[in-house]
Amino acid sequence: GEDVEQSLFLSVREGDSSVINCTYTDSSSTYLYWYKQEPGAGLQLLTYIFSNMDMKQDQRLTVLLNKKDKHLSLRIADTQTGDSAIYFCAVLPSDNQGGKLIFGQGTELSVKP
Amino acid sequence: NAGVTQTPKFQVLKTGQSMTLQCAQDMNHNSMYWYRQDPGMGLRLIYYSASEGTTDKGEVPNGYNVSRLNKREFSLRLESAAPSQTSVYFCASTALTYYTYEQYFGPGTRLTVT
Repeated sequence: GEDVEQSLFLSVREGDSSVINCTYTDSSSTYLYWYKQEPGAGLQLLTYIFSNMDMKQDQRLTVLLNKKDKHLSLRIADTQTGDSAIYFCAVLPSDNQGGKLIFGQGTELSVKP
Repeated sequence: NAGVTQTPKFQVLKTGQSMTLQCAQDMNHNSMYWYRQDPGMGLRLIYYSASEGTTDKGEVPNGYNVSRLNKREFSLRLESAAPSQTSVYFCASTALTYYTYEQYFGPGTRLTVT
């Protein structure tokens, strides 16, 4: 089945850019998502990208998709302490079963002042 | 519009006790899910329900049962709790929008089994 991998931790300084990476195995995945989880809360959808796109920008967030390498990244420009959270990559597999997503392990982003 | 709600928020059980985690959504979504979250493991799917009246096993169903009571409600039951079931449990529901599926999460239930 589909597998989604992320590194577990990332630490950056306030004002720097953060890049969170994700790899997946199903090259036919149709949609790829980034979710944010703040401490003590559930997950919130940040953004998503369709598999026929290379890039999507939304304010400080840039999503890059390399389909050949099955690599997805989330860049946060001008990272703030409020961006400290766990970020999950998720994919909608090609054998879509009513919207069932496959999640990565999550990357804990720590932003130091 | 409350979105996805879960009760209780916190629970402590002794080994062997049973309990039911409740979940409800008011967004008229067809699909609902139960996940558990453990450090370093991400989210693992326990059970899901693609529509009212249907349920299917996910990645880690052992020790759990579910009931899709109606379109709004999807409950998760632990019949005989074990310390390995100490975790944070999330319920979610999925909307099919014009563009894609969007999954909405509840705030979670933090369960400790001693």
